[in-house]
Amino acid sequence: NAGVTQTPKFQVLKTGQSMTLQCAQDMNHEYMSWYRQDPGMGLRLIHYSVGAGITDQGEVPNGYNVSRSTTEDFPLRLLSAAPSQTSVYFCATTRGSVGELFFGEGSRLTVL
Amino acid sequence: KNQVEQSPQSLIILEGKNCTLQCNYTVSPFSNLRWYKQDTGRGPVSLTIMTFSENTKSNGRYTATLDADTKQSSLHITASQLSDSASYICVVLSNSGYALNFGKGTSLLVTP
Repeated sequence: NAGVTQTPKFQVLKTGQSMTLQCAQDMNHEYMSWYRQDPGMGLRLIHYSVGAGITDQGEVPNGYNVSRSTTEDFPLRLLSAAPSQTSVYFCATTRGSVGELFFGEGSRLTVL
Repeated sequence: KNQVEQSPQSLIILEGKNCTLQCNYTVSPFSNLRWYKQDTGRGPVSLTIMTFSENTKSNGRYTATLDADTKQSSLHITASQLSDSASYICVVLSNSGYALNFGKGTSLLVTP
């Protein structure tokens, strides 16, 4: 039972490149979400999903796309990477809207 | 604007000593308050979740308190250990939609 698995753990991109951060969960949770964590700031919500086929924007959605075709997977796509997207990204799941959050181990992204 | 303020920003204590971390919030309407522990390079892990009616909740050497009237919470760590060195994040969930409000965290260093 792995919980929440994020890949890759580290990635370096050049400005303008695109990539996808993967998130998979084996907890059968409805809710999945993506956060970014920057020094001196709290975790900020990028996008979230309340179930397969349903996604919505969070606090800082610009420059990111998501999709939720299955309960297990919630990939985060960077369409054209910018240095401002250098950050640590966390995927999280929860059973319902008020339940405990379970986080992945994070993906550290550097955009040059 | 919903806010979660944590203090102190950082703290250094000797192994075996106790410490208390503070969290003040303005989030409304309130659903629950969570404390997470984040080890360096890892994802946050839940310590406690407290609802409106709960004043105190313990998890081993960690005890969280909540005063919903004054909108304050504290996390008390007893007999600190080196493994308690981490960032502690206070998170408040609003009843208004899927809205988690994150504090910036308190960085705790326990020294021998």
